Amino acid sequence: EDKVVQSPLSLVVHEGDTVTLNCSYEVTNFRSLLWYKQEKKAPTFLFMLTSSGIEKKSGRLSSILDKKELFSILNITATQTGDSAVYLCAVANDYKLSFGAGTTVTVRA
Amino acid sequence: NAGVTQTPKFRILKIGQSMTLQCTQDMNHNYMYWYRQDPGMGLKLIYYSVGAGITDKGEVPNGYNVSRSTTEDFPLRLELAAPSQTSVYFCASSDRTGTSTDTQYFGPGTRLTVL
Repeated sequence: EDKVVQSPLSLVVHEGDTVTLNCSYEVTNFRSLLWYKQEKKAPTFLFMLTSSGIEKKSGRLSSILDKKELFSILNITATQTGDSAVYLCAVANDYKLSFGAGTTVTVRA
Repeated sequence: NAGVTQTPKFRILKIGQSMTLQCTQDMNHNYMYWYRQDPGMGLKLIYYSVGAGITDKGEVPNGYNVSRSTTEDFPLRLELAAPSQTSVYFCASSDRTGTSTDTQYFGPGTRLTVL
């Protein structure tokens, strides 16, 4: 059975802090790993990673994949209150995405 | 270009009632999916479709049915609603023929309560 585990389940930080979210996986026929942000509505796409060691960046967010150790991290630097959300990690195989339970990030002003 | 749309946004059902959740996408995507999300949990795949006329079960298909008569529409049918089906339902689509083949785009969700 495919498994995607995210840690921590939740964290609270202050504006300006840096956060690191973890995602480990065990899936058959791995194709890619995706990160989504969910703010009390539909998940919105952040990154798709297919190759080990290549960092993807978008503003203050960055992510990297390690296909040997089967994990990915999502970093958010200089956090803002608008970063408060649930961050979902998903792994794609032949036809579907398997989602982790998510990490709830709360950024306090 | 509306993306993925879902109706209704909210619904309350009584135990044993039936209903259809509607999902439409205007991106000409071949793959479509139905997920449910329970509080504090990730998304669980109910059914998916790789194209018109082709559907298959996901992780949690019991109590649901789907059809895909057109590329655009992928309705989810709940027969004999049960309290365990109280959840938020998301429809998604992806273009598996493109370069970002695994990226799925989600609709706004339907919040369903069964009492």
